[in-house]
Amino acid sequence: DSGVTQTPKHLITATGQRVTLRCSPRSGDLSVYWYQQSLDQGLQFLIQYYNGEERAKGNILERFSAQQFPDLHSELNLSSLELGDSALYFCASSAQGEGIYEQYFGPGTRLTVT
Amino acid sequence: GDSVTQMEGPVTLSEEAFLTINCTYTATGYPSLFWYVQYPGEGLQLLLKATKADDKGSNKGFEATYRKETTSFHLEKGSVQVSDSAVYFCALSANTGFQKLVFGTGTRLLVSP
Repeated sequence: DSGVTQTPKHLITATGQRVTLRCSPRSGDLSVYWYQQSLDQGLQFLIQYYNGEERAKGNILERFSAQQFPDLHSELNLSSLELGDSALYFCASSAQGEGIYEQYFGPGTRLTVT
Repeated sequence: GDSVTQMEGPVTLSEEAFLTINCTYTATGYPSLFWYVQYPGEGLQLLLKATKADDKGSNKGFEATYRKETTSFHLEKGSVQVSDSAVYFCALSANTGFQKLVFGTGTRLLVSP
């Protein structure tokens, strides 16, 4: 158990809908990362937050947004969903934002768009 | 941009066989290198890491050496077990600034008794 929790574990929804994925980092970790794992794109970095502020952005679509709250949990919002958004979404946390700190991954949320 | 290339899988071995999974990278500067493992239905776990050239990371019998001259970080294990069956990801991150991981495509390892 990494100490990172993600809810829900599975999510099935229809095209055009909007969903919210939730992540709670390990106790004391200030940095949260979101990754998408899909069959065609592999594992890709989406976005990083550090202590409530956005710090780095990767291949995140404009239809996707995220935030980190004062209690440090994070939410990833996916809207106008398309079939191609079906993937496993991972959250990871680390103690700090800069430098080499191990990232601890949650179990993921599997999103299926029908 | 930075990238990681891994050998295609699946790699199928018998128990107690020697394992090598090749990984090469392209990066500006001198990144840190990682191997992550993903067991079925689970998230990624850090297996080992190396933060500078010639460093050897090791854990649970797995080893990998950071080779700057060949830009490689091959994963090895002398004797695999059925419980090692999983998907293995090679990854890199910059040593400065905010860390994001760049992953390879993953290599599935299947070990039979």
